[in-house]
Amino acid sequence: DTGVSQDPRHKITKRGQNVTFRCDPISEHNRLYWYRQTLGQGPEFLTYFQNEAQLEKSRLLSDRFSAERPKGSFSTLEIQRTEQGDSAMYLCASSPPFGQGITGELFFGEGSRLTVL
Amino acid sequence: RKEVEQDPGPFNVPEGATVAFNCTYSNSASQSFFWYRQDCRKEPKLLMSVYSSGNEDGRFTAQLNRASQYISLLIRDSKLSDSATYLCAVFPKETSGSRLTFGEGTQLTVNP
Repeated sequence: DTGVSQDPRHKITKRGQNVTFRCDPISEHNRLYWYRQTLGQGPEFLTYFQNEAQLEKSRLLSDRFSAERPKGSFSTLEIQRTEQGDSAMYLCASSPPFGQGITGELFFGEGSRLTVL
Repeated sequence: RKEVEQDPGPFNVPEGATVAFNCTYSNSASQSFFWYRQDCRKEPKLLMSVYSSGNEDGRFTAQLNRASQYISLLIRDSKLSDSATYLCAVFPKETSGSRLTFGEGTQLTVNP
């Protein structure tokens, strides 16, 4: 399977702990996005990378959140000192360079579901 | 005002019904528009792009009205398998830093 993969698929943690999610995009995709989705809501944008550069970061992303994409391939999203309000599905998506494929078509991974107790 | 707003739903329709979803967007400079489908506890997947002239894919028809800043999705002869959440999404423009903004989604249940 050469789609977007995310790990772990499920994470249960206690409030105050740190968690890290990993995303491996489709290999030829240079753009990578992180979204967060809670029940009954659409995906909310968190941050966006083009290659290794983090080009945009949502105001939703507090200082406890950090994302990296060190070599322009996989990406990690870390949440420090988790709070119950962080419980959500964290979706990673990738897309090819501009001019290739359908503009705006994101290929999503299956998500990492976080539960903070 | 939210960047993208959708009919709140949920919609419950019988098989064979025609159902329409509407979505409005606030950024008049937006250039690309999409409908995504999301099955329960699954990731969103692109259903169709929305073009200015309107476009059709089988039972699905998408329309764009730039003047009124809304897009619509029409599903004809609905099937049980159409039950899902439908997300509209807007892409501002093809530049670095662009990101897809989603609406909250409209849930559709097609009943036998």
